[in-house]
Amino acid sequence: AQSVTQLGSHVSVSEGALVLLRCNYSSSVPPYLFWYVQYPNQGLQLLLKYTSAATLVKGINGFEAEFKKSETSFHLTKPSAHMSDAAEYFCAVIPAQRSGGYQKVTFGTGTKLQVIP
Amino acid sequence: DAGVTQSPTHLIKTRGQQVTLRCSPKSGHDTVSWYQQALGQGPQFIFQYYEEEERQRGNFPDRFSGHQFPNYSSELNVNALLLGDSALYLCASSLLGRDEQFFGPGTRLTVL
Repeated sequence: AQSVTQLGSHVSVSEGALVLLRCNYSSSVPPYLFWYVQYPNQGLQLLLKYTSAATLVKGINGFEAEFKKSETSFHLTKPSAHMSDAAEYFCAVIPAQRSGGYQKVTFGTGTKLQVIP
Repeated sequence: DAGVTQSPTHLIKTRGQQVTLRCSPKSGHDTVSWYQQALGQGPQFIFQYYEEEERQRGNFPDRFSGHQFPNYSSELNVNALLLGDSALYLCASSLLGRDEQFFGPGTRLTVL
């Protein structure tokens, strides 16, 4: 079974500082990986995804993530935090090869990002 | 282009009651998935519907059932509600075989 582990349920950064949110996956073969953001009382919005193309993936709002097979990691970064980045971030995984094309997405437990002015 | 919509936004029920939540997928999408997100947790996969049939199911009891209509909209039904069913229920739509799912804003269910 595929799974993801997010290290740190809460992360605080100062406005303008580097954002680093950690995600490690567990899978016998490299899966497809995603980062979603959830603002309070809202659904999830896709930030970026890795689907076996480039290992460095750029997403929306200045975020990017690098797939590292040797470390089974897919950490999310942003060079300079903005107040509007305060939200909860979820790492998610689906198998790269899926029977019938069906998609069971497995989410991590989430990391709440606080941005301090 | 409307995205994924869900209704109602909030719902309060008492233990033992039944509830129906509704979802309209993004235009052009044919697959609908439902997730339960308990407070402070990540979303948990309930099931996925395609061509009006349940295609995949997560680790949820039979009290959780669903339906997909010919227009691809979907319902989630929960019978014999328990306090532990209180959560945000998220609907996501996609095209079969595609990687990206689009999420609705969710329905907040409170069971008293």
